[in-house]
Amino acid sequence: AQKVTQAQTEISVVEKEDVTLDCVYETRDTTYYLFWYKQPPSGELVFLIRRNSFDEQNEISGRYSWNFQKSTSSFNFTITASQVVDSAVYFCALSEADSGGSNYKLTFGKGTLLTVNP
Amino acid sequence: GAVVSQHPSRVICKSGTSVKIECRSLDFQATTMFWYRQFPKQSLMLMATSNEGSKATYEQGVEKDKFLINHASLTLSTLTVTSAHPEDSSFYICSASESSYNEQFFGPGTRLTVL
Repeated sequence: AQKVTQAQTEISVVEKEDVTLDCVYETRDTTYYLFWYKQPPSGELVFLIRRNSFDEQNEISGRYSWNFQKSTSSFNFTITASQVVDSAVYFCALSEADSGGSNYKLTFGKGTLLTVNP
Repeated sequence: GAVVSQHPSRVICKSGTSVKIECRSLDFQATTMFWYRQFPKQSLMLMATSNEGSKATYEQGVEKDKFLINHASLTLSTLTVTSAHPEDSSFYICSASESSYNEQFFGPGTRLTVL
């Protein structure tokens, strides 16, 4: 079973629309971290947010907002009033300790390709 | 913010040759570095984790003799793809962390094309 599921492979919206990218994760750890990254066509990963498992408070940063729901193991990402520059692949990732407990490893979802059309 | 560089950004090589990719943490000491591979339109897959001064820990299915990782200093890790073949063509991304528990900072990636 996938540890991080991004069910939406591709999403296409028109500029100024709001869009939500879904992320569902699976872990047995009580301490873990969740991330969202943006990967534009250049390939470089852009860090967007990190959330630890003990902080369920939703966060807003400009046009971006995140909804963390431990009850449903979801960490969804919403872009409000989307812009063409938001077009990219967005990855959700889970960081949890490895079997030895000494390293925190990142597991990425398969990504969602967001295309914002003018 | 923490900066991680990779060199080269792009490399094209002939089949059978070896290619070395460098990953450097520019403004912090990276106790732990990670190497990922990303095939076109796919996700990032962790290849190996390296702690400074120790042997790298490889993920299942990754050949340690083919992908040599050296993390000899707190600011530099190298990945050498030995006897490269066309199927090794991929985007290789490193990340660095001050400790195994800390956030990872990603490099810009290296696009390898093996002819």
